[in-house]
Amino acid sequence: GAVVSQHPSRVICKSGTSVKIECRSLDFQATTMFWYRQFPKQSLMLMATSNEGSKATYEQGVEKDKFLINHASLTLSTLTVTSAHPEDSSFYICSALAGESYEQYFGPGTRLTVT
Amino acid sequence: GEDVEQSLFLSVREGDSSVINCTYTDSSSTYLYWYKQEPGAGLQLLTYIFSNMDMKQDQRLTVLLNKKDKHLSLRIADTQTGDSAIYFCAESKASNYQLIWGAGTKLIIKP
Repeated sequence: GAVVSQHPSRVICKSGTSVKIECRSLDFQATTMFWYRQFPKQSLMLMATSNEGSKATYEQGVEKDKFLINHASLTLSTLTVTSAHPEDSSFYICSALAGESYEQYFGPGTRLTVT
Repeated sequence: GEDVEQSLFLSVREGDSSVINCTYTDSSSTYLYWYKQEPGAGLQLLTYIFSNMDMKQDQRLTVLLNKKDKHLSLRIADTQTGDSAIYFCAESKASNYQLIWGAGTKLIIKP
């Protein structure tokens, strides 16, 4: 089946620094990837839709200058949390849309802790 | 607006069947999904069903869709301890693929 990886799986950073999270589709091309944020014991919140070669579409309330998304190739999207604050601590999950199907395949998630 | 609702918890005995229910409000939903999330892990797509189907079976999993009532269910036969997880129901439209999520149902297995 389709596999999506995320790196790193866990990251701890100091307040004010930036962190980059990578999302890769390993065995398929993904023209569309999604970035989600999950708070403890809550469902996923869609942050943005990332399309290869174009600007990401951000959901209402998500700061595009704070959460930079780059979908540089058909197998890689990156999310950079800039000037991180403790309230940015969360579980970030990406997903990739597999070709013409409507199946989204999810990465294993990245646990970000900002101290 | 669009809304997907699930019960937060379901407790079943090992070996029994688990039935997780989900209701949604958007009648234009095209695809309905069930995802499984184990503790500290990402999401695993279990199964999905197109809105023009009533039922889909895949080994121990049976999905039933009542489009009139906008009700989706996931039945897990012979529930095992490894089935312990949070199960998310989600819907999407063909137009944009974005998923609208339920809050998730935590499945607790009693020995």
